[in-house]
Amino acid sequence: AQSVAQPEDQVNVAEGNPLTVKCTYSVSGNPYLFWYVQYPNRGLQFLLKYITGDNLVKGSYGFEAEFNKSQTSFHLKKPSALVSDSALYFCAVRAPSGNTPLVFGKGTRLSVIA
Amino acid sequence: NAGVTQTPKFRILKIGQSMTLQCTQDMNHNYMYWYRQDPGMGLKLIYYSVGAGITDKGEVPNGYNVSRSTTEDFPLRLELAAPSQTSVYFCASSPPGRGGGTEAFFGQGTRLTVV
Repeated sequence: AQSVAQPEDQVNVAEGNPLTVKCTYSVSGNPYLFWYVQYPNRGLQFLLKYITGDNLVKGSYGFEAEFNKSQTSFHLKKPSALVSDSALYFCAVRAPSGNTPLVFGKGTRLSVIA
Repeated sequence: NAGVTQTPKFRILKIGQSMTLQCTQDMNHNYMYWYRQDPGMGLKLIYYSVGAGITDKGEVPNGYNVSRSTTEDFPLRLELAAPSQTSVYFCASSPPGRGGGTEAFFGQGTRLTVV
């Protein structure tokens, strides 16, 4: 069965600094990996995904993520954080066999301080 | 575009009461899902459906039931509400894709409190 680990409950970063939110996964075969963001009292919004191809994936709002197969990681990054990036971030994985449901990590709360 | 619509947004239930959380999508997606979100626990899959007439259990199905009579609607039924079902419930849908590389679209959530 597939699983996702987000080792940090909270990440704090100063505005303008680069940010990284970590994610590692476990799945049989080549994974499909996703990042979602949740703002307070809202549903989840899709940020980006890795399906195949280039290991560096670019997404919405200036975010990007790097797929590393040997480390089974899919860390979310942004070169320069904004206060408005403060939110809850979820990593998710789907097994390659058919359209199985997404399995989510526990989430990481990002706080960007002005 | 409405996307995925959930009703109600908030609800307070007494122990033992029943209710149905409604979910409808207008994107003609085959796949639909119900998740619950508890603080610090991420999202747990309750039930999912790969098309009308087909449903399957997720990780935490106990105490819930679903039906999928149309492509658009995927209601979640709580028969005997318990305090452990206090949570935020999210409905999501996704189109079929090659091997599952399509993202899911989420509703705004239903915040349920059982007292």
